[in-house]
Amino acid sequence: RKEVEQDPGPFNVPEGATVAFNCTYSNSASQSFFWYRQDCRKEPKLLMSVYSSGNEDGRFTAQLNRASQYISLLIRDSKLSDSATYLCVVINIFTGNQFYFGTGTSLTVIP
Amino acid sequence: GAVVSQHPSRVICKSGTSVKIECRSLDFQATTMFWYRQFPKQSLMLMATSNEGSKATYEQGVEKDKFLINHASLTLSTLTVTSAHPEDSSFYICSARDWGEEGTGNTIYFGEGSWLTVV
Repeated sequence: RKEVEQDPGPFNVPEGATVAFNCTYSNSASQSFFWYRQDCRKEPKLLMSVYSSGNEDGRFTAQLNRASQYISLLIRDSKLSDSATYLCVVINIFTGNQFYFGTGTSLTVIP
Repeated sequence: GAVVSQHPSRVICKSGTSVKIECRSLDFQATTMFWYRQFPKQSLMLMATSNEGSKATYEQGVEKDKFLINHASLTLSTLTVTSAHPEDSSFYICSARDWGEEGTGNTIYFGEGSWLTVV
């Protein structure tokens, strides 16, 4: 079983829609979680960390569900500029700080 | 601004030659850096973990003699693609972890990536 799994998509949504991605992780000891955004032909960039209590940054909301071992990213009022691939990253600080990437979820926001 | 800088951003080389890509952490010291390869429309694939002052750790299937990694200082790691072939053409990205001033941070930053085309 992969350490981190994501639905690759693609997700094609109209402008203004709300879209959510999930990312499941297999190691219950995982401690740190992040969402990265990767634009076409560019490097991934940190979008937001995921805190246990959930956190929000503008139109973006990240949540952690430890019981079910997944993190989620919710994007409200989608913009064309949100089109990108979204990667989740999971770090396990108890196993040498190994970190694992999901394969990414592709989002296209359509006018 | 970028906290991890990668150079060159694009390089074209002839088949059989070697190419060196540099990865620098600009605002922090990185004892460990990571090298990835990404083919078009595919996910990042970890190639190796670069350890300052010691040998790199390669992922299964990655030839260490072909992809030479040197991490001579706390801010610089280099990846050399030796005897490059057209199938080595790809997007190569490095990353480094910033532990923060108190050593409790845990943020991963990526270099801008290097597009390698072997002709």
